[in-house]
Amino acid sequence: DAKTTQPPSMDCAEGRAANLPCNHSTISGNEYVYWYRQIHSQGPQYIIHGLKNNETNEMASLIITEDRKSSTLILPHATLRDTAVYYCIAHGSSNTGKLIFGQGTTLQVKP
Amino acid sequence: GAVVSQHPSRVICKSGTSVKIECRSLDFQATTMFWYRQFPKQSLMLMATSNEGSKATYEQGVEKDKFLINHASLTLSTLTVTSAHPEDSSFYICSARGAFSDKSNQPQHFGDGTRLSIL
Repeated sequence: DAKTTQPPSMDCAEGRAANLPCNHSTISGNEYVYWYRQIHSQGPQYIIHGLKNNETNEMASLIITEDRKSSTLILPHATLRDTAVYYCIAHGSSNTGKLIFGQGTTLQVKP
Repeated sequence: GAVVSQHPSRVICKSGTSVKIECRSLDFQATTMFWYRQFPKQSLMLMATSNEGSKATYEQGVEKDKFLINHASLTLSTLTVTSAHPEDSSFYICSARGAFSDKSNQPQHFGDGTRLSIL
């Protein structure tokens, strides 16, 4: 799977949009971009994933650049409960299915 | 959505004890389960891949005799930390994927983790 790079930490005001960037410049054509988050002392929670097109679900939006070398996870109205470590993972179909976690971005939502 | 249940959520035991952690997929058949370990302020580190009905595949540096993995059914994998010592204290997390998850690019689902403390 391609390496991803994320800023180590970000702050966001409660109620505002949180935009979390991720670079994956070596991503290959069959690799999807997955986002998970981990709230303190819990297991990771799946948020969203996409290949080329922008995606939206009830939790977030995922914007992928046309060259697919970077993406942005958008939490439209951040709440205090969104404070977590956010992981961006580039992962393709394979027999192993292993997910390799980087250091992620610690998002602190402030009142 | 798919649910993965991990039990127990917390274990405190004496050095030398063996501890078993269970990971269950509650509403889907998990052909593959993964075990991770996470130390404080660090990211998740993959320990091993557990395939139903076959031997687990361990990542480099993980002692297979120390961390015994059994995946006897499509809904249950267990991790046994044998003769645990204080340095084995960590947060252990499992994840599971269904039979067609990768072909359909569906996400993996994670348990809520087990905090193991060895005194």
